[in-house]
Order: sequence, then structure tokens, then C-alpha cells
Amino acid sequence: AQSVTQPDIHITVSEGASLELRCNYSYGATPYLFWYVQSPGQGLQLLLKYFSGDTLVQGIKGFEAEFKRSQSSFNLRKPSVHWSDAAEYFCAVGARNFNKFYFGSGTKLNVKP
Amino acid sequence: NAGVMQNPRHLVRRRGQEARLRCSPMKGHSHVYWYRQLPEEGLKFMVYLQKENIIDESGMPKERFSAEFPKEGPSILRIQQVVRGDSAAYFCASRSGSTNEKLFFGSGTQLSVL
Repeated sequence: AQSVTQPDIHITVSEGASLELRCNYSYGATPYLFWYVQSPGQGLQLLLKYFSGDTLVQGIKGFEAEFKRSQSSFNLRKPSVHWSDAAEYFCAVGARNFNKFYFGSGTKLNVKP
Repeated sequence: NAGVMQNPRHLVRRRGQEARLRCSPMKGHSHVYWYRQLPEEGLKFMVYLQKENIIDESGMPKERFSAEFPKEGPSILRIQQVVRGDSAAYFCASRSGSTNEKLFFGSGTQLSVL
């Protein structure tokens, strides 16, 4: 069965510190992988995606993610967090025909000044 | 180019009433998805529609829930005889074509059932 696991429900980091949000997936075939960010009261915005090729992908707002097939992981990273990064982050996998996108339960990021 | 528009933003219904949630996809987008989000949970897939067709409704409850995406007008998610457990945020997303994977999300409709 397809599933996406984000083991950290809440994470707090200090402004300027590095960040890594974990994502593990279970999918029968090679999936498309995504990270989205959601600000309070808003819809989701795409940060980055992985389809094939280089396993380290760059996204908007200075985020990057690395696909590790052997670990079924797609962790999101940022070298230096800004206060405006405080939001909820969702990892997602998509079927190759785009019929479905499965989302993790999200990680809420809090940034300390 | 307006984004995905959902209305209303907030909808309050009493148990047993009907709820209609509307989603106008981005201009030129013919693929629409509906998701439900509960607190502390991710987005749960409900239904995927293309113009005038339901492609995948495997996430829809078998009773009381229905969705449509007519040739003209917005996509509608309809919940009949609402119960308190239907209280959630409902998000709509759209994308442009069969080879374009990028989803654009609306701001959601928060349904509260009293």
C-alpha cells in the first residue's frame, strides 16, 4: 500500500540553524516525490519535486531535498532557517499517471528568534 | 491569472443539512482534486476529476458525498446530511494537463458542523 510517513510532528529550530525534515515513503513503483509548504489558513505551495536524475534537487526559498532509494527517503533540508520559514511542511508521492498524490501528515516547523 | 478559488472560506452547517463546497480551478486547468484535512493529519485524497468525468473516487465515502466538475462552472463537492465528523478543511487542487504534474492548491473551505 502507498503511504508517506513524516515521523516528526513538530520541530523547533533557532533562526540561522540548519534544518532537516524527514520523509519516508512506501510505494510499489518509482514515484514522483514532492515537498509542499502550508502557511496558516492557506493552501499548499510546491517547494520542490523529484522525478529522476540527480538525487539532490533544489527548490524555492533555499530548500533542497535528497532522494535515497535504498532508504525510501526524501528528506528536506535548509542550511540556515529564517523566521519566515515557520509553517507546516508536507511530503507527498505521486503516481506516474498523476491520478493520485499521497501526502504525509505534515511537520510543523517553529522558528525561535 | 487568478489562482485556485474556493468558496466559501468558512461554512457552518447543522447536523442533517447539506454542504456545497465550490472550487474554480486555475484558468486552463482541466484536472481537479479534492482533499480533506483533519487536525494533526495530512491531506487525505478524496476524488480526482476531469471535465465532466470522475477519474478516481476511491477516497470518497460511499454515502452522502458526491463530486462533479461540469463542462462549465466550478467543481462542486457535495455533502448531504452532514454529521459532526465531517468537520474538516477541504482543499481543492488543480493542474493543467495530462503531462503536467504541478498541483496548485486553493485556500480551502473550513466546514464546521454544529
